[in-house]
Amino acid sequence: GAVVSQHPSRVICKSGTSVKIECRSLDFQATTMFWYRQFPKQSLMLMATSNEGSKATYEQGVEKDKFLINHASLTLSTLTVTSAHPEDSSFYICSAKGTGTGDETEAFFGQGTRLTVV
Amino acid sequence: DAKTTQPNSMESNEEEPVHLPCNHSTISGTDYIHWYRQLPSQGPEYVIHGLTSNVNNRMASLAIAEDRKSSTLILHRATLRDAAVYYCILRARYSSASKIIFGSGTRLSIRP
Repeated sequence: GAVVSQHPSRVICKSGTSVKIECRSLDFQATTMFWYRQFPKQSLMLMATSNEGSKATYEQGVEKDKFLINHASLTLSTLTVTSAHPEDSSFYICSAKGTGTGDETEAFFGQGTRLTVV
Repeated sequence: DAKTTQPNSMESNEEEPVHLPCNHSTISGTDYIHWYRQLPSQGPEYVIHGLTSNVNNRMASLAIAEDRKSSTLILHRATLRDAAVYYCILRARYSSASKIIFGSGTRLSIRP
């Protein structure tokens, strides 16, 4: 089946620095990728939708200047957490939708990135 | 996407069948019923999906009520590795929305 890979799987950064998380579709082209955040014992919360070659669409309450999303190619989307603070510590997960696939088909998720801001 | 309702948690014994229920009373005629699960510290993974008829695959079976207002995910023989949070989600056919909104899901615990 299709594979979505995230990198890194774990990252620790200092407060005030920026961290970039990559999401790659390994064997298919993804026109649309989604970024989620998950706090302990909670469900996944959708942060934004990124479309290749255009600006990301952010969900209500998500700061677009803090969570920068770039979807420069059909196989790569990046999420940059800028000026990270301890409250940004979370599990970040991406999902990718293949080109030409209907919404009724299965979605593919990355393995997640555990961000810890100290 | 239409809303789904699932129990917060369930427990089962190893090697026994597990039936995970999901209510979706506001489902529309073009909504597919999807199940995903999330193992600890991992991203969600696809389990199964269906529209009207019951579905089987190597992981599970999906039983869909005749009126489609509810469905049940069946794990035929639970193992310890099936301990996860299971999410029941409706996906609209031909929808331009594409995004998946997760509910709280059912946390399944397996007793050895």
